[in-house]
Amino acid sequence: NAGVTQTPKFRVLKTGQSMTLLCAQDMNHEYMYWYRQDPGMGLRLIHYSVGEGTTAKGEVPDGYNVSRLKKQNFLLGLESAAPSQTSVYFCASRRHPNQPQHFGDGTRLSIL
Amino acid sequence: SQQGEEDPQALSIQEGENATMNCSYKTSINNLQWYRQNSGRGLVHLILIRSNEREKHSGRLRVTLDTSKKSSSLLITASRAADTASYFCATETSGTYKYIFGTGTRLKVLA
Repeated sequence: NAGVTQTPKFRVLKTGQSMTLLCAQDMNHEYMYWYRQDPGMGLRLIHYSVGEGTTAKGEVPDGYNVSRLKKQNFLLGLESAAPSQTSVYFCASRRHPNQPQHFGDGTRLSIL
Repeated sequence: SQQGEEDPQALSIQEGENATMNCSYKTSINNLQWYRQNSGRGLVHLILIRSNEREKHSGRLRVTLDTSKKSSSLLITASRAADTASYFCATETSGTYKYIFGTGTRLKVLA
């Protein structure tokens, strides 16, 4: 039972490049979340999903897109990477409302 | 910004002492959760308190919630060096499935 797995763990991009971050959970959770964490800012919600085929915007969605084609996977895409998107990205999932979130170990993304 | 606030931002105590950190938030909530984050790692869930609860215990952890003041506190008793980490509160906004995280408290427990 792996929990929440994020791929890749590290990546360096050049400005303007695109990439996709993958989050996979094996706990049959309905809800999945993408956050970014910047120094001194805590975690900020980018996008989230309340079930397969659904997505919704969080607090800081601009410059990102997401897809949830399969229940176990939640993909975060950067269409045209910008230095301001340099951050640590965390994925989380949970089963139901009023249940805790389970977090992956994060993806460190640097954009030059 | 929607982010909650935590205080203190940083706390340094001796092993065996108690550590108290506070969280304030801005919206009506379904529940409030506390998480721990060790350096370079993901967040680990500690405790969840629902909006209709006022106090909850788990081992050495005690959480209180005051919805009238939109605030919560986390008490760690008899702290250990292994408790050194950052601690975050997160609130689930009423009527949504979204979470808002606080800015965190960095706790250092000195052996």
